[in-house]
Amino acid sequence: KNEVEQSPQNLTAQEGEFITINCSYSVGISALHWLQQHPGGGIVSLFMLSSGKKKHGRLIATINIQEKHSSLHITASHPRDSAVYICAVSNYGGSQGNLIFGKGTKLSVKP
Amino acid sequence: NAGVMQNPRHLVRRRGQEARLRCSPMKGHSHVYWYRQLPEEGLKFMVYLQKENIIDESGMPKERFSAEFPKEGPSILRIQQVVRGDSAAYFCASSPGLGDNYGYTFGSGTRLTVV
Repeated sequence: KNEVEQSPQNLTAQEGEFITINCSYSVGISALHWLQQHPGGGIVSLFMLSSGKKKHGRLIATINIQEKHSSLHITASHPRDSAVYICAVSNYGGSQGNLIFGKGTKLSVKP
Repeated sequence: NAGVMQNPRHLVRRRGQEARLRCSPMKGHSHVYWYRQLPEEGLKFMVYLQKENIIDESGMPKERFSAEFPKEGPSILRIQQVVRGDSAAYFCASSPGLGDNYGYTFGSGTRLTVV
């Protein structure tokens, strides 16, 4: 079993829909990261969080430390949100940068 | 303020050749991290460097791979005698201090193809 699991693997939505991507992890963490990767493109860091909730524009990230679970929500989705969303964790006690990554959720938003 | 710059964006090498991947961190960032993304697989940590020091290379293959971050100039990931299995996207990230305190800024990656 992977230490970081994401669901769903693939997600297709209609423009305007509310989207949720889930991430569960099995290790103790110091931080959790949500990343965005466009096809053939670079990686953009969306959020880093260790507790509670963060919001940036139409994106919201939440984390429940007790349940070892995080969600990424996209409100009023748009075709430009189509990308792979990756959850990664910093293992508590691990060295900096030694992130454990999920396999990603491929999101496609149709107009 | 330019972001993390990686070059080249695409690199083609024949089996047995050497590949050199460069990463210039953001201005003011002294911590550099390298990751590899194999086709159809997730990202994997390779190495963490600070200026002139390798801090954690636990993710580096034991042979043919090396990394450096000299006092002047970019960080270099070097792969000697490349094989087809080295074909992947290699990403660099940087942070101004401890990544878990400041977060990580990623580059656009270098896509290595070994033919």
